[in-house]
Amino acid sequence: SAVISQKPSRDICQRGTSLTIQCQVDSQVTMMFWYRQQPGQSLTLIATANQGSEATYESGFVIDKFPISRPNLTFSTLTVSNMSPEDSSIYLCSVASAYEQYFGPGTRLTVT
Amino acid sequence: GDSVTQMEGPVTLSEEAFLTINCTYTATGYPSLFWYVQYPGEGLQLLLKATKADDKGSNKGFEATYRKETTSFHLEKGSVQVSDSAVYFCALSTIEGNQFYFGTGTSLTVIP
Repeated sequence: SAVISQKPSRDICQRGTSLTIQCQVDSQVTMMFWYRQQPGQSLTLIATANQGSEATYESGFVIDKFPISRPNLTFSTLTVSNMSPEDSSIYLCSVASAYEQYFGPGTRLTVT
Repeated sequence: GDSVTQMEGPVTLSEEAFLTINCTYTATGYPSLFWYVQYPGEGLQLLLKATKADDKGSNKGFEATYRKETTSFHLEKGSVQVSDSAVYFCALSTIEGNQFYFGTGTSLTVIP
């Protein structure tokens, strides 16, 4: 299994600003994933982040809006740029290991 | 493509009632199947899993059996408790393990 921490756990931000979310894993993993969970909804995959290469974004998500860094095998960041109230969501980091996915506790973002 | 269809909620049960949350899947090949639970204000936790046909996953009194003939993975618990109140997500992963597909989630509320 993997233990994942995220910072911050929650934040309230003003529209037009940016927020960077950090994800730390207690073991080295090849692939990390970023999901968004809008209020009352299921998870939507934003992108897959491999160490040493550019992140792969899902349809509807672009790098300019959600830039991702993956500097090493235990850490990744997701930035939510130029925020609007529609970006208010829970953002979840996860890692894959032996056909399972393990999730961080999430970052609850509210944009006012 | 691969997908998961999950029983819609919300579900409200009295304590000690029997719980069933239906989940069916569509997949090529032989996926692994999972149930995740999200308690209020928290991230997703793996509840149980099954990696091949006829496997039964179990944890905390919850059970689900991988039924290839009906492409189902229904979640059951014989006697629910107030502490089981949460959102439950059915999910599948491909053989490669890096593509996860989540159901829409089923909210369960257990009343005393």
